[in-house]
Amino acid sequence: GAVVSQHPSRVICKSGTSVKIECRSLDFQATTMFWYRQFPKQSLMLMATSNEGSKATYEQGVEKDKFLINHASLTLSTLTVTSAHPEDSSFYICSARKIAGGGDTQYFGPGTRLTVL
Amino acid sequence: GNSVTQMEGPVTLSEEAFLTINCTYTATGYPSLFWYVQYPGEGLQLLLKATKADDKGSNKGFEATYRKETTSFHLEKGSVQVSDSAVYFCALGGSNFGNEKLTFGTGTRLTIIP
Repeated sequence: GAVVSQHPSRVICKSGTSVKIECRSLDFQATTMFWYRQFPKQSLMLMATSNEGSKATYEQGVEKDKFLINHASLTLSTLTVTSAHPEDSSFYICSARKIAGGGDTQYFGPGTRLTVL
Repeated sequence: GNSVTQMEGPVTLSEEAFLTINCTYTATGYPSLFWYVQYPGEGLQLLLKATKADDKGSNKGFEATYRKETTSFHLEKGSVQVSDSAVYFCALGGSNFGNEKLTFGTGTRLTIIP
């Protein structure tokens, strides 16, 4: 199998605080993980590519100092939303890339809903 | 840049009806194409994929054919079931090997009524 988990599934925080979201590949190693953001009734938008052992690659328009990404191990990537504001409220989804047996597929986590008050 | 245009929903069908969800794309090179499905309360799951022109991806009775001439990858199923109710996303991957940096459509919510 290929299971990806996210924690927490839902978080509510006050404006100005920081929130950390974890993404774990439970049964495979992933040198590459991706972080997406999804607004209501809209598509998933790639925020950044997280590479184990190196700095994340951010998409154009994504503030790297606001969305800190750390790929600490082959099974864990974290996204920290620093000094969160209401406009950061969204559904954040991670995926982990599994390359094995001639295949190359992204497996997605269940998402984290962030609400900033 | 790459983009995916997907049929807007929601789509409501009766059980055993024929399903088509349209997807067209704009891309440079020769991208891979995917359909992902998101069941209520769950993460996205890969439903099927095609990596080159004229390839047909299929899974669980769903199929889609990579049509380069019409830049399309429409999802079809001959007889839908209530358990097919979910949100379906068409996606486009890079032209390099693998599916890095997926570009998604907006998703189509499908509801099947008994």
